[in-house]
Amino acid sequence: SAVISQKPSRDICQRGTSLTIQCQVDSQVTMMFWYRQQPGQSLTLIATANQGSEATYESGFVIDKFPISRPNLTFSTLTVSNMSPEDSSIYLCSVEGAWTYNEQFFGPGTRLTVL
Amino acid sequence: AQRVTQPEKLLSVFKGAPVELKCNYSYSGSPELFWYVQYSRQRLQLLLRHISRESIKGFTADLNKGETSFHLKKPFAQEEDSAMYYCALIAVTGGGNKLTFGTGTQLKVEL
Repeated sequence: SAVISQKPSRDICQRGTSLTIQCQVDSQVTMMFWYRQQPGQSLTLIATANQGSEATYESGFVIDKFPISRPNLTFSTLTVSNMSPEDSSIYLCSVEGAWTYNEQFFGPGTRLTVL
Repeated sequence: AQRVTQPEKLLSVFKGAPVELKCNYSYSGSPELFWYVQYSRQRLQLLLRHISRESIKGFTADLNKGETSFHLKKPFAQEEDSAMYYCALIAVTGGGNKLTFGTGTQLKVEL
């Protein structure tokens, strides 16, 4: 399995500011994903973080709002830009490796509250 | 586009009673289905997948392509089974595997 950590675990932010969330894995993985889980809702895929190239965004999510970096095979960041209260969610990082046979391992999540 | 439906937001059963968490899907390709579980204050983790055809913690799930269902079952519920359960489907796209989740069912096992 993979051990995934996220920073910060939670934050309270003001409207209009930005927050960068970090995701660190203890082993090299091929795929890294970012999800959002709004209050009372299911997980929604934001984007796939690609190493060495631009992230692949899902419908309804754009790079200007959620810029993503993936400088290597063990680390990725998600920035939530120009935040509004509607961005209050849990943001989750997950990974998939060639050895996981399509299983995704999830981080503990970052609970974001925007005032 | 693929879709996963879990009709029950909350399922409450007594300890020792059978459990069935419903999951239906729609997908034009050949599906690969999973059940993920999130216990209180723990991270989301894989419970089982249909291709393994194994029983995990007494839970089983059979893929029924005719009914496009992947219901999760356990003959005798235990208190420690109380958790949030998500059914998920993998769709293989040009950009890699994309996991689509259902809305989840909160299972509460009462004594």
